[in-house]
Amino acid sequence: DSGVTQTPKHLITATGQRVTLRCSPRSGDLSVYWYQQSLDQGLQFLIQYYNGEERAKGNILERFSAQQFPDLHSELNLSSLELGDSALYFCASSVAGNEQFFGPGTRLTVL
Amino acid sequence: AQKVTQAQTEISVVEKEDVTLDCVYETRDTTYYLFWYKQPPSGELVFLIRRNSFDEQNEISGRYSWNFQKSTSSFNFTITASQVVDSAVYFCALSERVNKLVFGAGTILRVKS
Repeated sequence: DSGVTQTPKHLITATGQRVTLRCSPRSGDLSVYWYQQSLDQGLQFLIQYYNGEERAKGNILERFSAQQFPDLHSELNLSSLELGDSALYFCASSVAGNEQFFGPGTRLTVL
Repeated sequence: AQKVTQAQTEISVVEKEDVTLDCVYETRDTTYYLFWYKQPPSGELVFLIRRNSFDEQNEISGRYSWNFQKSTSSFNFTITASQVVDSAVYFCALSERVNKLVFGAGTILRVKS
């Protein structure tokens, strides 16, 4: 157990819908990262937050957004969902400058 | 630009064999970090090791060992006396200034009894 929690574990929804994925980092970790894992794109970095502020952005679609709250948990919002958004979404956390520990992931299926 | 290449898509070995997973990276930074993660069939990503670019010492942890060679931009991972529980997808990753991870495509390791 990495200490990073993600909810829900599985999510099934329809095209055009909006979903929110939640992540709680390890105790003491200020950085939260979001990654997407799909068969065609592999593991890709989406976005990073550090102590509530956006720190780095990857190939995140405009339909996706994220935030980190004062209690350091983070949410990834995916809207206008398309079939191609079906993937495993991981959250990771780290103490600044150290290795990232990953949560169990949320498997999103868009029908 | 950062890039990680894991040329071996899939490797199959018989239990107790040694196996080496290759990783080649590209970066323009002189300071960078290399990682290996394991993804077992259950799906989670498990951190195995982090290496700094200024520390080329090889590392051994039980049956696992890592060979970091800056001259060839490689960071290879060897499992000695493989076991069925080692069956997983293994990812090599690179980070510049310890932010986002850039992952390789992964190597599927199948260990048969």
